[in-house]
Amino acid sequence: HSALTQPASVSGSPGQSIAISCTGSSSDVGDSKYVSWYQQHPGKSPKLIIYDVSNRPSGVSDRFSGYKSGNTASLTISGLQAEDEADYYCNSLTSSSTWVFGGGTKLTVL
Amino acid sequence: QVQLVESGGGLVEPGGSLRLSCAASGFTFSDYYMTWIRQAPGKGLEWVSYISSRSGSAMYYADSVKGRFTISRDNAKNSLYLQMNSLRVEDTAVYYCVRPANWGSLDIWGQGAMVTVSS
Repeated sequence: HSALTQPASVSGSPGQSIAISCTGSSSDVGDSKYVSWYQQHPGKSPKLIIYDVSNRPSGVSDRFSGYKSGNTASLTISGLQAEDEADYYCNSLTSSSTWVFGGGTKLTVL
Repeated sequence: QVQLVESGGGLVEPGGSLRLSCAASGFTFSDYYMTWIRQAPGKGLEWVSYISSRSGSAMYYADSVKGRFTISRDNAKNSLYLQMNSLRVEDTAVYYCVRPANWGSLDIWGQGAMVTVSS
């Protein structure tokens, strides 16, 4: 399975909303209810922020939301804050029962 | 609290071997699948391998490491391992031990162990 496709970078101003797309295929994102998103700050381990397409773990801000349509999943961050500046990765279970990640998106808060 | 702590990273020459360990605490280790995920310097995340819960009878590997890496677990010691043989320069990465809560949720990550393959 090839890596899922994410934009290399996105940016937004504080208070704005941004969306990060994650495009796969019918053998991963399109066929899976197991899509998740991870936030990674420099030098830190990734942190789960969305699981099973649209669910938030306890303690994660409701400014983060997830959605999927067809072969593309999306992460939306509303009310951008400086602390949201980080790398974001999508992940999907594949039809082969393995995991595949997106290439990552660097979010810059202007 | 729930915690994963990796150890065993270091510098190894191409063609060499290294064994990573991951000590788990704060949860019933035997009840969970466990997985290794790596991140090359300045690059994205790459799933490496996972092992099933309890007996660990099912193991899956990424094509990039199949035949060279072996995942295993010791439930009595609450530990996960990754035996890495025939290491290549492209295996240089931080290796994370990760607990999946389920197929759609990699919820607990260790701090990572750096593996550098270089002559």
